[in-house]
Amino acid sequence: GENVEQHPSTLSVQEGDSAVIKCTYSDSASNYFPWYKQELGKRPQLIIDIRSNVGEKKDQRIAVTLNKTAKHFSLHITETQPEDSAVYFCAAGYTGGFKTIFGAGTRLFVKA
Amino acid sequence: DVKVTQSSRYLVKRTGEKVFLECVQDMDHENMFWYRQDPGLGLRLIYFSYDVKMKEKGDIPEGYSVSREKKERFSLILESASTNQTSMYLCASSPPAGGGSPLHFGNGTRLTVT
Repeated sequence: GENVEQHPSTLSVQEGDSAVIKCTYSDSASNYFPWYKQELGKRPQLIIDIRSNVGEKKDQRIAVTLNKTAKHFSLHITETQPEDSAVYFCAAGYTGGFKTIFGAGTRLFVKA
Repeated sequence: DVKVTQSSRYLVKRTGEKVFLECVQDMDHENMFWYRQDPGLGLRLIYFSYDVKMKEKGDIPEGYSVSREKKERFSLILESASTNQTSMYLCASSPPAGGGSPLHFGNGTRLTVT
């Protein structure tokens, strides 16, 4: 069935360093790739998304890249800050479908 | 701003009890979802609904049922709670594009079955 693999499961970086989280999806029909951030005890919230007609999208310190051929997409966080510490989920879905398939999550620790 | 409200933040139930988890959204979204969140497994879809009285099974529907009598409300029902249903349950809603649009999540209900 459809699945999304996410790596690493845990990531620890020093404040100011960059963090990269990688995901691979299996369903070729997927054309929408959101990223959610879940702080401790809170709900997952969308931080950035990308559609399959775009290869890269940036929003301040956050960027997402998509390689449709390889079915890979990645989240890049630059100049990390302690408030970036959270669990990040990648996901894949497609317009016209209903399901969004989530990766297992990456717990990011940013050490001050 | 979309608001998705889950009626309980924490619930403790006994094995065999019937459990109702309620979710209400205020953005007139067609689609509503119930996910289960477990460490190392991400978010797994239990059931979803794309319209009033319509429901579809997700990836892990066994032991659960749902009800959508009104557009804004989506209920998850555990017919006979078991200890392996101890988990965090997240409700979400989205506009018609479904898998092609962002999900708006509630704060979650942490259910413990003893």
